[in-house]
Amino acid sequence: AQSVAQPEDQVNVAEGNPLTVKCTYSVSGNPYLFWYVQYPNRGLQFLLKYITGDNLVKGSYGFEAEFNKSQTSFHLKKPSALVSDSALYFCAVRDPSSNTGKLIFGQGTTLQVKP
Amino acid sequence: GAVVSQHPSWVICKSGTSVKIECRSLDFQATTMFWYRQFPKQSLMLMATSNEGSKATYEQGVEKDKFLINHASLTLSTLTVTSAHPEDSSFYICSASGRGASTDTQYFGPGTRLTVL
Repeated sequence: AQSVAQPEDQVNVAEGNPLTVKCTYSVSGNPYLFWYVQYPNRGLQFLLKYITGDNLVKGSYGFEAEFNKSQTSFHLKKPSALVSDSALYFCAVRDPSSNTGKLIFGQGTTLQVKP
Repeated sequence: GAVVSQHPSWVICKSGTSVKIECRSLDFQATTMFWYRQFPKQSLMLMATSNEGSKATYEQGVEKDKFLINHASLTLSTLTVTSAHPEDSSFYICSASGRGASTDTQYFGPGTRLTVL
């Protein structure tokens, strides 16, 4: 079955330190992978995606993610965290069995950046 | 670009009444729209998918007679919660993809907080 796992409920980092939010996936075929961020009581904001091409994808607000096919991972990274990065982060993969672009979401990881 | 709006941002209603939530794509043609429900500190649960001019496809376990979805144009989809009850209280989020934006990416609205008393 297609699935996405975010193994950490919460990640804590100090401001200025690098951050990593982990995501692994299980899908048949070539994955379309996405990261979204959600601030309290708001919808999801698109950060970045991997469809094909370079394994290192750069996105909004200084975030990047590395697609690793052998480890079936798509971890989100940022070299220097900001307090304003504190939010809920979702990894998602497009369901290959869907012709509408349906997404399968991970359970979400809360990022807490402390001053 | 690729902006999706929702209205209202929050609504409080009495049990037994119906509530309509609008989802609009502001700068692209939303050929496909999705409706999600989210409980506190949880992931999104897909309720249904709709293509413009077609009937919505509901996920298993979602009552289509209770959650009416209409995708009448390329910029507007509506979700009507009929005969709402307290257990329908939730955060409802729509998303859209289509022409004029990236067709392989869903862009999300800001969400609607529904509270049923």
